[in-house]
Amino acid sequence: NAGVTQTPKFRILKIGQSMTLQCAQDMNHNYMYWYRQDPGMGLKLIYYSVGAGITDKGEVPNGYNVSRSTTEDFPLRLELAAPSQTSVYFCASSWLQDLNNSPLHFGNGTRLTVT
Amino acid sequence: GDSVTQMEGPVTLSEEAFLTINCTYTATGYPSLFWYVQYPGEGLQLLLKATKADDKGSNKGFEATYRKETTSFHLEKGSVQVSDSAVYFCALTHGSGNTGKLIFGQGTTLQVKP
Repeated sequence: NAGVTQTPKFRILKIGQSMTLQCAQDMNHNYMYWYRQDPGMGLKLIYYSVGAGITDKGEVPNGYNVSRSTTEDFPLRLELAAPSQTSVYFCASSWLQDLNNSPLHFGNGTRLTVT
Repeated sequence: GDSVTQMEGPVTLSEEAFLTINCTYTATGYPSLFWYVQYPGEGLQLLLKATKADDKGSNKGFEATYRKETTSFHLEKGSVQVSDSAVYFCALTHGSGNTGKLIFGQGTTLQVKP
């Protein structure tokens, strides 16, 4: 059972570089999310998607872009990396939008450092 | 806005000790409350939940009661094990008009020593 798979696990970027964090799920979930986790802080929602072709901003979307061309994949794009984007990034998915009845399934995270 | 506050960590306990991790929240309306756990090197996973006041969520020996009068959802376990060492996150989402988005606390690291 693969669940939610994130790649890479670790990455170091220089300021101004770009990269894409990959996320794939094999549970046929419509709902997918990107969170970032800063030290000593809770997870904050960056972007989310309710299905293929539909995405929307979360709490902290600036500096990021997403796309959802298939149900399975939800990549997160950083166009011009900044030190403030140093964080651990988690992708998650759920079967239902109602999280009372459908828990979030998380990937193992990508640790990104921008120097 | 809505928010979740957890007790500072790390919490260090000996095996078989009693655990309490405090969680309080601020929210409008009637949120649902969750505890997620992150074991080393893994993603978060749901530990337990409560969707209305006075509900008690329980799983793997952990319990938490939704207290609306004190806006709290403290996590407890009677006897911790080394395998419980992890980061614990309290979170909320609205029970009605659920948008599928969680608001997380900052996490509390638990270390259990043999």
